[in-house]
Amino acid sequence: DIQLTQSPNSLSASVGDRVTITCRASQDVSRYLNWYKQRPGAAPQLIVFYTSTLQNGVPPRFSGSASGTDFTLTIASLQPEDFATYFCQQSYSTPYTFGQGTTLEI
Amino acid sequence: VQLQESGPGLVRPSETLSVTCSVSGGSINGYYWSWIRQSPGKGLEWIGYIYSSGSTTYNPSLKSRASILIDISKNHFSLNVNSVTAADTAVYYCARVHYDVFSGGSYYIDYWGQGTLVTVS
Repeated sequence: DIQLTQSPNSLSASVGDRVTITCRASQDVSRYLNWYKQRPGAAPQLIVFYTSTLQNGVPPRFSGSASGTDFTLTIASLQPEDFATYFCQQSYSTPYTFGQGTTLEI
Repeated sequence: VQLQESGPGLVRPSETLSVTCSVSGGSINGYYWSWIRQSPGKGLEWIGYIYSSGSTTYNPSLKSRASILIDISKNHFSLNVNSVTAADTAVYYCARVHYDVFSGGSYYIDYWGQGTLVTVS
């Protein structure tokens, strides 16, 4: 199975900050890496797919990029609704796997 | 598209867990439909998916205990996990997996149900 390791596990930040979350894959996943956001008590929701494509309705302050097997999710200017847990997920091969999550705290 | 899980809430050890996902607002045809679970100890775990044709792929971690079925006429699909233990306690999500031919043939989960907690005890 492909392992995804996110860093950091948690991150404290303030409204207006720029933050970056990293997801490292244990092997090549090409660009088949997606990002999800999960608020407490809610289901995850897709924010970025295929490394850098924003899902419909996701604000442009979110962006995704990659360098080899390292993927990053960047939020340019944090808004109150962005404080949540973020997961990466690979769809390069089954079984699909998820990172352990990064919790973004105020 | 809306997905709604329904399940028993509580399952006894060694018995079979059964959860159903009702799909509304869109057709079940032409898509992959997946089950994912989330527990504090193991994070998010992909269980498997079924295409509307009935073909399935499972996570080997469940050691063949999982089976996913689809009923096109009722626009729903279901998950059975047999021989459950406390380790199967989790929130179970149903989800739609979108195949995007315009994005390199990528797969991603674009719709999720709200999740249903299943406790094995």
